[in-house]
Amino acid sequence: EAQVTQNPRYLITVTGKKLTVTCSQNMNHEYMSWYRQDPGLGLRQIYYSMNVEVTDKGDVPEGYKVSRKEKRNFPLILESPSPNQTSLYFCASSFSRHKETQYFGPGTRLLVL
Amino acid sequence: DAKTTQPPSMDCAEGRAANLPCNHSTISGNEYVYWYRQIHSQGPQYIIHGLKNNETNEMASLIITEDRKSSTLILPHATLRDTAVYYCIVRVATNTGNQFYFGTGTSLTVIP
Repeated sequence: EAQVTQNPRYLITVTGKKLTVTCSQNMNHEYMSWYRQDPGLGLRQIYYSMNVEVTDKGDVPEGYKVSRKEKRNFPLILESPSPNQTSLYFCASSFSRHKETQYFGPGTRLLVL
Repeated sequence: DAKTTQPPSMDCAEGRAANLPCNHSTISGNEYVYWYRQIHSQGPQYIIHGLKNNETNEMASLIITEDRKSSTLILPHATLRDTAVYYCIVRVATNTGNQFYFGTGTSLTVIP
């Protein structure tokens, strides 16, 4: 089944403890992206990647890192999480930057205490 | 500043057309308008997109004004399953990919 998977789906952590949220797609998509969703703010793009080893900042990249060493994986790294990073996170992918349909993962709900 | 503005909520009777407006007055000539919807807290689902011409697919129609400062998403015959939050989005192409700017969304409730 074609899909975008994220792990973990739910995570409670404490301030300053490094964490990684994984994202993987099995559709051979070139383009991948991370978003966060907060009440009243809609979705905001954190980072995106056009292909392996090509990444760039979105609208709200502060406090996050990403890497794209393989085409199928695009992990989101929080080196020192803070409570303001408590949010719902979505990973998305599309065949290329020119293809209109982004496929979204199921979301990861993160609580930073 | 937000690139898109949408009404926070709308109701529509089942079987009628749902018309969801979006303002994007600062849009540039090569920036696309996209619409996605989200049911509960699931991942958003693509609906339609356009640049300047009106577009139609099996899900919806997109009407973009001639000056491109606003658009309307039309669901021709709304069903209860169309109850969702609808996001109007501006896509900005960069040298390294695409940046997507989501609006705050319109919560559409389809009423039986």
